[in-house]
Amino acid sequence: IAGITQAPTSQILAAGRRMTLRCTQDMRHNAMYWYRQDLGLGLRLIHYSNTAGTTGKGEVPDGYSVSRANTDDFPLTLASAVPSQTSVYFCASSDGTGAGANVLTFGAGSRLTVL
Amino acid sequence: GQNIDQPTEMTATEGAIVQINCTYQTSGFNGLFWYQQHAGEAPTFLSYNVLDGLEEKGRFSSFLSRSKGYSYLLLKELQMKDSASYLCAVLDSNYQLIWGAGTKLIIKP
Repeated sequence: IAGITQAPTSQILAAGRRMTLRCTQDMRHNAMYWYRQDLGLGLRLIHYSNTAGTTGKGEVPDGYSVSRANTDDFPLTLASAVPSQTSVYFCASSDGTGAGANVLTFGAGSRLTVL
Repeated sequence: GQNIDQPTEMTATEGAIVQINCTYQTSGFNGLFWYQQHAGEAPTFLSYNVLDGLEEKGRFSSFLSRSKGYSYLLLKELQMKDSASYLCAVLDSNYQLIWGAGTKLIIKP
């Protein structure tokens, strides 16, 4: 089934630990995104990548890093987790071309709790 | 600053019609999206409007007025499975998506 796979589904993490959230898509979409979703707030963009080999900062990039070595994978790393990074993280992708250029397909999300 | 406003929560009855409003103030406009998100799940795409007017897709319709910075999502013949959050998002002049906080729709039998 075509789509986006995120791992882990859920994780509890001690503050100060390093954590990588994995995201893989099999739709050959050019653009990929990482969002965080917190209660009462809209989705906030952390980092994005318009194409393999390039990345950019979103609205809330501090404390996070990404890489885009190939089209399919877009991991998000928290170098030293803090409690304010407790959130649900969604990976998304878009075709980047034609009428559906900006329509996002989302992964199922990764629920992260930092204690 | 950029801002998307939606009601936090709405309640409607099964079989009825409900209209969810969205107003926006953004730097530029390149389209407005509606997504549906069931509790604990990922958002899924519902509709896209870039020109003024009504776009109909089955039981769901979406309306846009660019001059008023306003959109609504109309859901007809409500079903229990329509209980979800509905997210409004605007694509600004830099082709960045600005998201509203979402409207939680509760359907009662």
